[in-house]
Amino acid sequence: QKEVEQNSGPLSVPEGAIASLNCTYSDRGSQSFFWYRQYSGKSPELIMFIYSNGDKEDGRFTAQLNKASQYVSLLIRDSQPSDSATYLCAVPSRDSNYQLIWGAGTKLIIKP
Amino acid sequence: NAGVTQTPKFQVLKTGQSMTLQCAQDMNHNSMYWYRQDPGMGLRLIYYSASEGTTDKGEVPNGYNVSRLNKREFSLRLESAAPSQTSVYFCASSESAGGLSDEQFFGPGTRLTVL
Repeated sequence: QKEVEQNSGPLSVPEGAIASLNCTYSDRGSQSFFWYRQYSGKSPELIMFIYSNGDKEDGRFTAQLNKASQYVSLLIRDSQPSDSATYLCAVPSRDSNYQLIWGAGTKLIIKP
Repeated sequence: NAGVTQTPKFQVLKTGQSMTLQCAQDMNHNSMYWYRQDPGMGLRLIYYSASEGTTDKGEVPNGYNVSRLNKREFSLRLESAAPSQTSVYFCASSESAGGLSDEQFFGPGTRLTVL
């Protein structure tokens, strides 16, 4: 089992709808979780991080963490075509907080 | 502020050639990282430098060497390039490595092809 798993997609969502992206992780001791967005041909940029169970909201983005079930989700409300990108989930390695373990990413396509 | 800069943006090498990828950050960050990104595999850490004067291996260090030249600069060297090293290379930096909310800032990437 990979340490961090994401559905590769593509996930196609109509404009204005809610996009839901999921990430599961294998290390029960993981404490913090990061969501990065990567546009095609560009570098990743941080959208949100979360380390407490429950929801964290930032504008149209909501991160949801469920440590018991070992998954973290990213919801994008009122999806826009500009949200079309690959979304990467990352978790600090149990061996070193300096090392992030990355999922392969989910490609999201917002259809106008 | 330029953030994290990388040179070159593109490079084509022949098998066995060597090259150095350069990275610099102007955010006064302590920690710097080198990743490679291959299709369907996500980002994989090659080497990192938690602070000036230190370097450590990441997940895939074989075939690479690094130098933390000073607090701003962190270079990645391929001594004898192989086709398996064809990839997109990203340099990143962060303020305080290891923190729960330690954000990594990425450079624009270097697209390397080894023939």
